[in-house]
Amino acid sequence: GAGVSQSPSNKVTEKGKDVELRCDPISGHTALYWYRQRLGQGLEFLIYFQGNSAPDKSGLPSDRFSAERTGESVSTLTIQRTQQEDSAVYLCASSRGPGQDEKLFFGSGTQLSVL
Amino acid sequence: AQSVTQLDSHVSVSEGTPVLLRCNYSSSYSPSLFWYVQHPNKGLQLLLKYTSAATLVKGINGFEAEFKKSETSFHLTKPSAHMSDAAEYFCVVSDKEYGNKLVFGAGTILRVKS
Repeated sequence: GAGVSQSPSNKVTEKGKDVELRCDPISGHTALYWYRQRLGQGLEFLIYFQGNSAPDKSGLPSDRFSAERTGESVSTLTIQRTQQEDSAVYLCASSRGPGQDEKLFFGSGTQLSVL
Repeated sequence: AQSVTQLDSHVSVSEGTPVLLRCNYSSSYSPSLFWYVQHPNKGLQLLLKYTSAATLVKGINGFEAEFKKSETSFHLTKPSAHMSDAAEYFCVVSDKEYGNKLVFGAGTILRVKS
């Protein structure tokens, strides 16, 4: 596709359930980021993938959060045993990779609501 | 609907010269406005934000931005560019009327020449 695609666009789940969010980056983009935005707050970095390098997981808030990416393709963000505090918009972004001309493209996000 | 327009996709300056990154927005009466910076290999970092207090907002690393309601603008400036300022900059608007969702501009890549 022409842009970064995220699915689902909306997800409502019950506390304690696991959820899986998907991101399809732009073809050829080696870098992929996950962010989240909780209501009334700024954007929070979660995790960064660059090619086949070990991901930067420094932003993951707890061990209930994990993310995978196979090669330079789709990434999935998994939240286990969801809590109400996990309710947020989860944004994915991709770019060609490191360098001064790296341009970041964002998906439209997944709105997660934990009841 | 709210929207953000960053007028330049790329800006190139020489080290030591002023930086101006332009941003215009469309929103309701009382938006919140942010500038974020994305350095290569790093996550987004908040530079500064405006939330209806002083119209001239000072941020980190010598950046500042002025909210001009009459012009619906929130341009980012810095008196003297450093090589370390090379990055992509995002102007962002948020509005309670739209559930505080952050709406990003398309981004401006800043190149700093030595």
